[in-house]
Amino acid sequence: GESVGLHLPTLSVQEGDNSIINCAYSNSASDYFIWYKQESGKGPQFIIDIRSNMDKRQGQRVTVLLNKTVKHLSLQIAATQPGDSAVYFCAETSTTNRLAFGKGNQVVVIP
Amino acid sequence: NAGVTQTPKFQVLKTGQSMTLQCAQDMNHNSMYWYRQDPGMGLRLIYYSASEGTTDKGEVPNGYNVSRLNKREFSLRLESAAPSQTSVYFCASSGTGETGKDQPQHFGDGTRLSIL
Repeated sequence: GESVGLHLPTLSVQEGDNSIINCAYSNSASDYFIWYKQESGKGPQFIIDIRSNMDKRQGQRVTVLLNKTVKHLSLQIAATQPGDSAVYFCAETSTTNRLAFGKGNQVVVIP
Repeated sequence: NAGVTQTPKFQVLKTGQSMTLQCAQDMNHNSMYWYRQDPGMGLRLIYYSASEGTTDKGEVPNGYNVSRLNKREFSLRLESAAPSQTSVYFCASSGTGETGKDQPQHFGDGTRLSIL
């Protein structure tokens, strides 16, 4: 199947700064995108999602941007906190809700 | 609200042994999924069930079987465990929103399985 990938394997960010995690996808038929956060020893936790009829969606301290022209997804975390240290996955799907996950991007918050 | 519950949390097996991983959700979701997570590989779909009574293969189904026992429960069985099946296994479930579109999948905390 088509793949979803992340540009950066590890992102180190100072506490209080903003974080940006990028993701490229290759399936032009994908119409639903999700960001998950995974802490050590736990399952992926839903952060935010976006459908293909939107290009931006905001949550609490997080914003997802979708650029369908270049098949690019990003997650912005405002005022990064130590509790934001985790692995972040992007995932995409088309009609079946069979998610294709990227390999993950480690975020390390420096106090 | 427990969400998605997986048992056991940890298991060690010998090659050739069989076992069943259990998963239950209390969110009244129609769809349920089994994934495995290996270092550097992300999550890969093993099997899924779009509704009670149906199951379909995912990306890596070989060596596994599943049973959708009822709407709440979806089990994964290893008939003859192999070292290549050492992994962390996650169960997930998802529902359908008011617009008829799928909602995000919710995950359990995983079963860590080692096969010697």
